[in-house]
Amino acid sequence: TQLLEQSPQFLSIQEGENLTVYCNSSSVFSSLQWYRQEPGEGPVLLVTVVTGGEVKKLKRLTFQFGDARKDSSLHITAAKPGDTGLYLCAGAGGGGADGLTFGKGTHLIIQP
Amino acid sequence: NAGVTQTPKFQVLKTGQSMTLQCAQDMNHNSMYWYRQDPGMGLRLIYYSASEGTTDKGEVPNGYNVSRLNKREFSLRLESAAPSQTSVYFCASKAALDTYEQYFGPGTRLTVT
Repeated sequence: TQLLEQSPQFLSIQEGENLTVYCNSSSVFSSLQWYRQEPGEGPVLLVTVVTGGEVKKLKRLTFQFGDARKDSSLHITAAKPGDTGLYLCAGAGGGGADGLTFGKGTHLIIQP
Repeated sequence: NAGVTQTPKFQVLKTGQSMTLQCAQDMNHNSMYWYRQDPGMGLRLIYYSASEGTTDKGEVPNGYNVSRLNKREFSLRLESAAPSQTSVYFCASKAALDTYEQYFGPGTRLTVT
């Protein structure tokens, strides 16, 4: 069974601070995706990274895929209260059933 | 474009009752998925359908059946609900087997008493 370990599980910081969320596995994935989920809603795709070492930026969010395609990170610069939510990483193509292997998520709270 | 829609949004069942969760997508996607989300467990794959006419088991298929009714619709059936099936159920779709991005519906919150 493939596992994706996300850390931290919970993070509460002040508006304007920076933060990094990590997603680690012992398995290799063909791609890794980051989702954001609001209470009562489904996950919404933020980004997909495919190539080892790839870096993608989405405004204040920077996503990186590890060189060996086993880990990823999400860095948020100058966090805003609107960034509050559950952030999920998910790996694809690691073998076995089609579908995504999800981490357990990081609950992020940005306090004004 | 509605994307992925799910019905119902909420449901309460008694142990042993049956029900079907409905999912439809209007993006002309080939592949569709059912996940469940439990506190502390993340999302886990129940069943998927790589294309119309095919279905396969995921990580946690026991107690569930699925039907890929046509390209748009993929239903999940609980024949005899158990309290352990209390969860939030999400349907997702993606364009094809060799694409990456999955698009999720809003979820069905199911409670089995």
